[in-house]
Amino acid sequence: DQQVKQNSPSLSVQEGRISILNCDYTNSMFDYFLWYKKYPAEGPTFLISISSIKDKNEDGRFTVFLNKSAKHLSLHIVPSQPGDSAVYFCAARVTGNQFYFGTGTSLTVIP
Amino acid sequence: GAGVSQSPSNKVTEKGKDVELRCDPISGHTALYWYRQSLGQGLEFLIYFQGNSAPDKSGLPSDRFSAERTGGSVSTLTIQRTQQEDSAVYLCASSLGATGQNQPQHFGDGTRLSIL
Repeated sequence: DQQVKQNSPSLSVQEGRISILNCDYTNSMFDYFLWYKKYPAEGPTFLISISSIKDKNEDGRFTVFLNKSAKHLSLHIVPSQPGDSAVYFCAARVTGNQFYFGTGTSLTVIP
Repeated sequence: GAGVSQSPSNKVTEKGKDVELRCDPISGHTALYWYRQSLGQGLEFLIYFQGNSAPDKSGLPSDRFSAERTGGSVSTLTIQRTQQEDSAVYLCASSLGATGQNQPQHFGDGTRLSIL
């Protein structure tokens, strides 16, 4: 039972444009949401997070949006850079510290 | 400072053998997690240690899998009588803080396990 879903396995964006990565979840008990970035042969690297009491969190070029009513999370990267090319995972935590991860979206930023 | 360290980085073994995977978390991190990622799949939770509390083993797929965390630091994941479906990348993560605190996990680079 996949509680966190990333329905787009891949995304290609032109350098300088906005990248929007999406994530849907089913468990209304999730209270903390995160995005991780992963390069080949490396572990995931934490990128940005948001608590369920907020609807937006911004860090430089990265903004995470949370729509609790729609159970939807998104990551915006603007402007996109070639170095952003990686696999992005969304994750969500149930109170008690168990985390659930999506299957990832592979982002390619075209120079 | 040192990140999460996992060893070995790659392991190839024959079906039926036992394997041990090691994770050295970031110093001071009280929470430690094991995940596995099979080809084309997301991260599958295996086990979670928090301080001196009993571990959450709810993600272990069978009784061939076990994990220990000695002294609240280094953890070992053991897979007995390995099967081909155990082939995956095994990832360890640690985080600072107790249950409920909003602390991200920091991952190691994983152990790529291949069962022949």
